[in-house]
Amino acid sequence: GQQVQQSPASLVLQEGENAELQCNFSTSLNSMQWFYQRPEGSLVSLFYNPSGTKQSGRLTSTTVIKERRSSLHISSSQITDSGTYLCAMVDNTNTGKLTFGDGTVLTVKP
Amino acid sequence: DPKIIQKPKYLVAVTGSEKILICEQYLGHNAMYWYRQSAKKPLEFMFSYSYQKLMDNQTASSRFQPQSSKKNHLDLQITALKPDDSATYFCASSQDPNLSNERLFFGHGTKLSVL
Repeated sequence: GQQVQQSPASLVLQEGENAELQCNFSTSLNSMQWFYQRPEGSLVSLFYNPSGTKQSGRLTSTTVIKERRSSLHISSSQITDSGTYLCAMVDNTNTGKLTFGDGTVLTVKP
Repeated sequence: DPKIIQKPKYLVAVTGSEKILICEQYLGHNAMYWYRQSAKKPLEFMFSYSYQKLMDNQTASSRFQPQSSKKNHLDLQITALKPDDSATYFCASSQDPNLSNERLFFGHGTKLSVL
């Protein structure tokens, strides 16, 4: 089975609404990372988060490693937040390998 | 101003041919990677290099060969191309291959179509 499960698969919001994206891991992990993939395909690093809560502007990432889960909260969504949000797990091999989920496709409407 | 440069941006190839995807990073990073994103599949790790040495190879086929001529270069040679190789290939880099506390930076990708 897939090691990294993301939910929901897709989400439609009205501008200004909040979103909660989930990521669950089926195996033990050292850390995890969140990325944003723009509609044209480029990838942007949002967070690396081995544990606890990190915030950057309207984005908050919370990781509970023991429970093998992480969430990404987007507050006051904007149209420009539309795109795909990817989470990835970092295993303990220290070879730089990330295992990605399928992503959550977010659409923010005016 | 992109700090990880991938060339070309788009590439069309015929089945059986050979292509080289170019990647250069100007972030001063020590580790470089290749990932692949095919239609309806998650972004998939292929290779990692640190100080120009292979760290990890998750690609089953020997048709994919990374080439590191300089510390900030990691090209990807693909031989005997097949239609299934059609995907967007992303180059990435980080300061250190231990990504527990390091960001991973991606290039804009090379979209390869094999006819």
